[in-house]
Amino acid sequence: KNEVEQSPQNLTAQEGEFITINCSYSVGISALHWLQQHPGGGIVSLFMLSSGKKKHGRLIATINIQEKHSSLHITASHPRDSAVYICAVLKGAQKLVFGQGTRLTINP
Amino acid sequence: DTAVSQTPKYLVTQMGNDKSIKCEQNLGHDTMYWYKQDSKKFLKIMFSYNNKELIINETVPNRFSPKSPDKAHLNLHINSLELGDSAVYFCASSQGTSGGAPGTDTQYFGPGTRLTVL
Repeated sequence: KNEVEQSPQNLTAQEGEFITINCSYSVGISALHWLQQHPGGGIVSLFMLSSGKKKHGRLIATINIQEKHSSLHITASHPRDSAVYICAVLKGAQKLVFGQGTRLTINP
Repeated sequence: DTAVSQTPKYLVTQMGNDKSIKCEQNLGHDTMYWYKQDSKKFLKIMFSYNNKELIINETVPNRFSPKSPDKAHLNLHINSLELGDSAVYFCASSQGTSGGAPGTDTQYFGPGTRLTVL
């Protein structure tokens, strides 16, 4: 079993829907990252958080350290949000461990 | 203008060959990384360098040798290529406030190099 599990693995929704992607981890961490990988392959860092909640535009990331769980929400989803979303956790000081990614498709 | 650039974008080669992938960042960052993304899309960190010094070396075969001539460049040389080396390799950089630890800085990724070993 992977130390970082994401759900769902694949998600298809209609434009405008509220999207939630989940990330659960089984180890102690000091930080958690959400990344976005575009269909063309490029990777962009969306958030780094160690507690609470962060918001950037239509994206919101939350983390619950006690429950070892993080969620990425997208409000008013748009086809350009279609991408693979990857959760990664920092174990200790140095080791970054990645989830398997969630493939999101937003249909017009 | 590209913040983190990699060359080549695609690399197709035969088993047993030696090849290099180059990475350059113009962000003034102190830390650079190499990641491997396998066919199942899992990303794994391979190396991290902070100010030209190797900080992280994750159980990577010693056929892989990173080289950092200066803090803006981190090249990856691979000897005796094997079929299992086929993957997409991403270079990334970050500010380096954690002295080479990857997790607490925003990372900026290059476009990736798709390596295919035949």
